Amino acid sequence: AQSVTQPDIHITVSEGASLELRCNYSYGATPYLFWYVQSPGQGLQLLLKYFSGDTLVQGIKGFEAEFKRSQSSFNLRKPSVHWSDAAEYFCAVVVYNQGGKLIFGQGTELSVKP
Amino acid sequence: DVKVTQSSRYLVKRTGEKVFLECVQDMDHENMFWYRQDPGLGLRLIYFSYDVKMKEKGDIPEGYSVSREKKERFSLILESASTNQTSMYLCAVGNRYGYTFGSGTRLTVV
Repeated sequence: AQSVTQPDIHITVSEGASLELRCNYSYGATPYLFWYVQSPGQGLQLLLKYFSGDTLVQGIKGFEAEFKRSQSSFNLRKPSVHWSDAAEYFCAVVVYNQGGKLIFGQGTELSVKP
Repeated sequence: DVKVTQSSRYLVKRTGEKVFLECVQDMDHENMFWYRQDPGLGLRLIYFSYDVKMKEKGDIPEGYSVSREKKERFSLILESASTNQTSMYLCAVGNRYGYTFGSGTRLTVV
């Protein structure tokens, strides 16, 4: 069955430090992959998406993600974290042979230390 | 860009009540989705619809039903609300190339 795993439930990093959030997916075909961010009390905001082509995808707010087919991964990275990046981050895969439904991981909550 | 509107931001209902959550889009997208969001569980798909009067069960359909009589409106129905249905409910519209989410309805069942 299709699934998304975010192994880290909660991560704390210092402001200015680099960040990597892990995402592993299980899907038989070429995946369509998304990263969303949700700040406290806010809705979901799209950070970036991957369909095909270049495996390094640039997103908003200085985020990037790299698609690695051999590892079934789509990890999110940022070189220098800002306090405003504290939020919950969700990775998702599209099951496009089933109505295009979006399957989410459990989420990773990011805390930023001053 | 499509705008997705959920009718209520906060809702408090009693156990056993029938509850309707409404979602409206302002474009002509075929696919609409209902998710519930719970801490530590992420977003889980309840039901989705790929056209008027067409629906498919998601991963957690028990205790819920849906209605899509018009293309722009997708309703989630809790036939008999229970306390374990207290959650944040999110509606989404889109396809493999992109999705737009509503701002959510926080439902509390007491």
